[in-house]
Amino acid sequence: EAGVTQFPSHSVIEKGQTVTLRCDPISGHDNLYWYRRVMGKEIKFLLHFVKESKQDESGMPNNRFLAERTGGTYSTLKVQPAELEDSGVYFCASSHLGGLNEKLFFGSGTQLSVL
Amino acid sequence: GEDVEQSLFLSVREGDSSVINCTYTDSSSTYLYWYKQEPGAGLQLLTYIFSNMDMKQDQRLTVLLNKKDKHLSLRIADTQTGDSAIYFCAESRGTDKLIFGTGTRLQVFP
Repeated sequence: EAGVTQFPSHSVIEKGQTVTLRCDPISGHDNLYWYRRVMGKEIKFLLHFVKESKQDESGMPNNRFLAERTGGTYSTLKVQPAELEDSGVYFCASSHLGGLNEKLFFGSGTQLSVL
Repeated sequence: GEDVEQSLFLSVREGDSSVINCTYTDSSSTYLYWYKQEPGAGLQLLTYIFSNMDMKQDQRLTVLLNKKDKHLSLRIADTQTGDSAIYFCAESRGTDKLIFGTGTRLQVFP
């Protein structure tokens, strides 16, 4: 069974450009989460999809970030325009049922560097 | 300040025990988790403990929870070089959203 896959693994862009990150959850997982780790700090929650609906987007930093999950399968996270402080590792995770003791499966992350 | 705090580094000799500590601030935490991140890999759930428990053991791993002091620890017995990784403490407060710490980088030397 394939795990959570993220693409690209690394992205280097200039300030002001646009970047789109993609996450493919495990097949059949309705719950999809985005997290971010900035500058070696704590990993912070960005948002949570249940199928194609945004269940919780309280962690999205500002309106430069747009997450979509059309059709309830893969998800994209677009940053437009990117700023220096957006640099970090963006993790995606998925789970089947959601809930507190439901195991989250994480992808290996996308390392974003904004120069 | 941060909601979940961890020391940044820990270095141990192979075969010794490792103890990674974590403190959290919210008394409404329901589950507390330990995740491991190996180089180039995603986060892997190691173990979790419900807030009404004070200890959980799983093979070489022992989790201790002191709810009064809001302190969580992960003990790894007989630490091996393959245990070298970043370990993240995380809590949930009744929702699916996890609150992570900064991570502790464990280095095991021979």
